[in-house]
Amino acid sequence: AQSVTQLDSHVSVSEGTPVLLRCNYSSSYSPSLFWYVQHPNKGLQLLLKYTSAATLVKGINGFEAEFKKSETSFHLTKPSAHMSDAAEYFCVVSDRFSGGYNKLIFGAGTRLAVHP
Amino acid sequence: NAGVTQTPKFRVLKTGQSMTLLCAQDMNHEYMYWYRQDPGMGLRLIHYSVGEGTTAKGEVPDGYNVSRLKKQNFLLGLESAAPSQTSVYFCASSSGLGGEQFFGPGTRLTVL
Repeated sequence: AQSVTQLDSHVSVSEGTPVLLRCNYSSSYSPSLFWYVQHPNKGLQLLLKYTSAATLVKGINGFEAEFKKSETSFHLTKPSAHMSDAAEYFCVVSDRFSGGYNKLIFGAGTRLAVHP
Repeated sequence: NAGVTQTPKFRVLKTGQSMTLLCAQDMNHEYMYWYRQDPGMGLRLIHYSVGEGTTAKGEVPDGYNVSRLKKQNFLLGLESAAPSQTSVYFCASSSGLGGEQFFGPGTRLTVL
């Protein structure tokens, strides 16, 4: 069975400093991996996705993530945090039901706080 | 193009009451999903549908029913609400290709 572990429930950074949100996954085959962001009282928005092409994936708002199969990791990074990045971030792995669609398995989330 | 919309945004129920949450999408997606979000647990799949007239159970289906009578709509019903169903409910849809799901803004439900 597939699973996702987000290693930090809360991360706090200063504006202008780098962001690192850590995610490890467990999968019996080559997975699809995603990062979603949820701003307060909002729905989830896709930041980026990995689907077995380039291992370094660029997303929206300056975020990127690197797929490392040997470490089973998919960490999310951004060189310089902005106040508007404060939100909850979910690492997600895709599973495939026998029905032929992609079930999403969510990590517990990491809440990012950005201080002036 | 509104994407995925959910009705209502907020609701308070008493134990034992029933209600229906409505999800609508205008992207002509085949697949639709209902999730619940609880603190520290991410999102968990309640029910899903792979096309009009079809539904299937997800990870936490007990206490919920769903219907997909029209391709663009996916309804989630609670026949007899319990405090354990206090949660934020999200609807999502996808074309089924690549796994990307598009989410609605959520419904915050409180059961007293």
